[in-house]
Amino acid sequence: AQSVTQLDSHVSVSEGTPVLLRCNYSSSYSPSLFWYVQHPNKGLQLLLKYTSAATLVKGINGFEAEFKKSETSFHLTKPSAHMSDAAEYFCVVSDLTGFQKLVFGTGTRLLVSP
Amino acid sequence: NAGVTQTPKFRVLKTGQSMTLLCAQDMNHEYMYWYRQDPGMGLRLIHYSVGEGTTAKGEVPDGYNVSRLKKQNFLLGLESAAPSQTSVYFCASSFGTSESFGPGTRLTVL
Repeated sequence: AQSVTQLDSHVSVSEGTPVLLRCNYSSSYSPSLFWYVQHPNKGLQLLLKYTSAATLVKGINGFEAEFKKSETSFHLTKPSAHMSDAAEYFCVVSDLTGFQKLVFGTGTRLLVSP
Repeated sequence: NAGVTQTPKFRVLKTGQSMTLLCAQDMNHEYMYWYRQDPGMGLRLIHYSVGEGTTAKGEVPDGYNVSRLKKQNFLLGLESAAPSQTSVYFCASSFGTSESFGPGTRLTVL
């Protein structure tokens, strides 16, 4: 069975400082991993995805994530936070075998202060 | 190209009432999904479909039924709504590793 653990329910940063949102996964198969963002009262937007190609994945809006198999981690980072980054972020795992079913983490709310 | 659309966007029901949520996609995706989102719990899969005429149970299927009579549409039904079904419902469709989400339906059951 697959699962993801988002290690922080809330992360607070100041505008212009780095962002780190942590995610650990468990999967019996070669996983696909995703980060989605959800702004208040909005739908989900795909930030980036890892599907067994390069381990460092670049996404939209300056975000990137690194797949580390030895640590079973897929942390999301951004060098400099912007006020518009304030949102909820979901780490998601799926396997590459057969039908793809996504398993969501519980989310990390990112707060950005001026 | 509208992507994934959901109807309605908001709905308030009384306990025991029934309703159907409609999801439509114009990307010719084979797979479609219904999720519910509750505070602190991420998204949980209710039902999914791997093609026209097929449906399967997800993680939290109780109290819901679905139908996929046409490839582009995936309907979620609540036969007798309960307050525990108050949630935000998201539909999604996918092909390969690309999954697209609809904007969500906020349902309140009083």
